Amino acid sequence: QVQLQESGPGLVKPSETLSLTCTVSGGSINSYYWNWIRQSAGKGLEWIGRIYSSGSTNYNPSLKSRVTMSVDMSKNQFSLMLISVTAADTAVYYCAKETGGTTGTFDYWGQGTLVTVSS
Amino acid sequence: EIVLTQSPVTLSLSPGERATLSCRASQGVSSHLAWYQQKPGQAPRFLIYDASNRASGIPARFSGSGSGTDFTLTISDLEPEDFAVYYCQQRSNWPWTFGRGTKVEIK
Repeated sequence: QVQLQESGPGLVKPSETLSLTCTVSGGSINSYYWNWIRQSAGKGLEWIGRIYSSGSTNYNPSLKSRVTMSVDMSKNQFSLMLISVTAADTAVYYCAKETGGTTGTFDYWGQGTLVTVSS
Repeated sequence: EIVLTQSPVTLSLSPGERATLSCRASQGVSSHLAWYQQKPGQAPRFLIYDASNRASGIPARFSGSGSGTDFTLTISDLEPEDFAVYYCQQRSNWPWTFGRGTKVEIK
């Protein structure tokens, strides 16, 4: 059973960079797409982007200028960086695995981590 | 981007009743629609993919239908653990988008 766990600071100052890591256990990160999705009261569930095990990425155009994702196969981890954050980036951030057979659906999710943007 | 509109916002039902949830897309998404269940403090749980296919381990009382712009999630014979928020999500066009959810609450 694949398990995902997000980690990173719960508080980020405005204009700084949000950095989160997702550790995958119970399976290899190889040959799947790995996603970041956030949830806020204001915007609901919002897909941020995804990264393949090879490092190939796709980002939501609304966030593309501020997002970078990376993968570390040796640690079975993938990461999210979001620069120049504002209060609008306050949300619960989830990492999620994309299903192998059906691109664009998410079969395993992390528990989520709340990131608050505040000075 | 494709906007998914879910209705009703809240559905008040009793255990044993049938729940019918709607998701309407602002443009056609073929059958590329999924459903998720979320309980308070938990991550969404994958229920249905490609409009009508149950994910692994999902009980048969959950069923999905529809194509194009109109989709339905039906929960027959509601169990106590089914009271939650349900989201639809499309994978037809970038960026993938979610609806705002329907809360199924105990009447």
